[in-house]
Amino acid sequence: SQTIHQWPATLVQPVGSPLSLECTVEGTSNPNLYWYRQAAGRGLQLLFYSVGIGQISSEVPQNLSASRPQDRQFILSSKKLLLSDSGFYLCAWSAGGARGETQYFGPGTRLLVL
Amino acid sequence: GENVEQHPSTLSVQEGDSAVIKCTYSDSASNYFPWYKQELGKGPQLIIDIRSNVGEKKDQRIAVTLNKTAKHFSLHITETQPEDSAVYFCAPMKTSYDKVIFGPGTSLSVIP
Repeated sequence: SQTIHQWPATLVQPVGSPLSLECTVEGTSNPNLYWYRQAAGRGLQLLFYSVGIGQISSEVPQNLSASRPQDRQFILSSKKLLLSDSGFYLCAWSAGGARGETQYFGPGTRLLVL
Repeated sequence: GENVEQHPSTLSVQEGDSAVIKCTYSDSASNYFPWYKQELGKGPQLIIDIRSNVGEKKDQRIAVTLNKTAKHFSLHITETQPEDSAVYFCAPMKTSYDKVIFGPGTSLSVIP
């Protein structure tokens, strides 16, 4: 069966510090991968998605970036965090290609920037 | 692109009553209509979905109905229980697309 992991589960970082959040998927190959951000009590904002290694599509201009160094690894980064980067970050995968429908979410990373 | 709305944004019901959440969308090419449930502090999870060639689907206490002509679909929860309290998101899409646009969410509270 497929599983998706995210770490860390929680993170407190000072403004201006770098960020690296990691997401890995097991039990599937060539998945579509997604990063979402969710502010408290708000909806899901799509940040990045990837249909393959090295292929990244950005949905929202910001100081975040994403990379996909391996088929089942998706990394969210920032060189300098802003207060507004605080939120609940969710990684998700779906089956690649035209088969992609259901999104399977990880447990999330709660980030607080102080 | 897809424009997705949900109504109501918040819903409070007594335990045992029914709850209905409506999702409207703009892209007539959408052919897959899922509902996700997000419990506090967790990622959303698929609870039920329907495809464009079906008008209704039921799974125990939850059901989804689709009106493709009017471009909306609804989540129905009967005999609500406190554990149904969560935020519910719809995410209509065309299955050949790579990304999904989620609705803004509906917060459901079931009062014991």
